[in-house]
Amino acid sequence: EVQLVESGGGLVKPGGSLRLSCAASGFTFSSYSMNWVRQAPGKGLEWVSSISSSSSYIYYADSVEGRFTISRDNAKNSLYLQMNSLRAEDTAVYYCARGPSPAKYFDYWGQGTLVTVSS
Amino acid sequence: DIQMTQSPSSLSASVGDRVTITCRASQGISNSLAWYQQKPGKAPKLLLYGASRLESGVPSRFSGSGSGTDYTLTISSLQPEDFATYYCQQYYSTPYTFGQGTKLEIK
Repeated sequence: EVQLVESGGGLVKPGGSLRLSCAASGFTFSSYSMNWVRQAPGKGLEWVSSISSSSSYIYYADSVEGRFTISRDNAKNSLYLQMNSLRAEDTAVYYCARGPSPAKYFDYWGQGTLVTVSS
Repeated sequence: DIQMTQSPSSLSASVGDRVTITCRASQGISNSLAWYQQKPGKAPKLLLYGASRLESGVPSRFSGSGSGTDYTLTISSLQPEDFATYYCQQYYSTPYTFGQGTKLEIK
């Protein structure tokens, strides 16, 4: 069974940093691209970032480019999102999602972790 | 960026009804379109990809069609568990973008 479990969310002040993790199991992690998608409270879905299976290709939404860094450790079956210079508008539930390469839709999602940016 | 416009934003229907949700892209996306269902407090669930390909395990009452810039999600006979919010997503090019969502409510 495919499982994606996010962690690392919480309350952080504007300008602060946070690192999200996503632990994957039930599939060959190193064969799939991985993604972060977020959802602000009461709002729709917003793609944040994608990383290819071997980390060769990395993409970011303009809204987070230069502030967020996606990475993965295939030996640990883990995906990460380092978030710096956080803003109030980054407040959202952050989902880790698997992408069946080469297509870039999202076939499995984690339960999400809430990030709240507030003073 | 490719803009995705869903309609309607909300829809009231009854069990057994046939419903259609539309998604329009601001440029052609060559069937690189997925549909998701999201229930309150839960993660989205993939329903269809490639505009019309049903994800494994998804009931056959869900179907998708379209080409170019215009796509539709159809639920042939609404079941109680289908009341949720539906999103389309284009994966033709980055940034991957979602429609604003269609909330399907019980009439």
